[in-house]
Amino acid sequence: EVQLVESGGDLVQPGGSLRLSCAASGFTFSKYWMSWVRQAPGKGLEWVARIKEDGSETSYVGSVKGRLTISRDNAKNSLYLQMNSLRPEDTAVYYCARGGAYYGSSWGQGTLVTVSS
Amino acid sequence: EIVMTQSPATLSMSPGERATLSCRASQSVSRSLAWYQQKPGQAPRVLIYDASTRATDISDRFSGSGSGTELTLTISSLQSEDFAVYYCQQYSKWPFTFGQGTKLEIK
Repeated sequence: EVQLVESGGDLVQPGGSLRLSCAASGFTFSKYWMSWVRQAPGKGLEWVARIKEDGSETSYVGSVKGRLTISRDNAKNSLYLQMNSLRPEDTAVYYCARGGAYYGSSWGQGTLVTVSS
Repeated sequence: EIVMTQSPATLSMSPGERATLSCRASQSVSRSLAWYQQKPGQAPRVLIYDASTRATDISDRFSGSGSGTELTLTISSLQSEDFAVYYCQQYSKWPFTFGQGTKLEIK
């Protein structure tokens, strides 16, 4: 069974930093693109970042470029999102999703990031 | 970026009825489109990909059609568990984008 478990969400002040993690199991992690997708409270979905199977290629939505960095460790079956210079508009549930070349085939339950003073 | 527009925003229907949800793209996405279902407090779940292919373990009550800029999700004979929010998502071009969602509610 595919499992994706996010962690690291917290309350952080504007301008602060946070690192999210996603632990993957139940599939061969190194064979899949992986992504982070977020959902602001009561709003729709936004695909934030994606990373290729071997980590050689990454892509970001314009609103997070230069502030958020996606990475992975295939030896640890883990996906990460380093979040710097956080803004109130980054407040959202962040989902780890399997996929990034096409659609999200499996999703974690999400971790809540709140940016507020 | 490609803007995805879903209609209607809310659809009020009764169990047993047939529901038709629309998704329009600002430019052609060919058949590079997925549909997701999201229930309150849960993560999205993929229903359809490549416009018309049902994902694993998805009921054949769900079907997708269309291509280019006009795509449709049809749910035949609504069951109580089908009342949720539905999103379309294009993966024709990065950044991948979602529609704003259609809330399917019980009439």
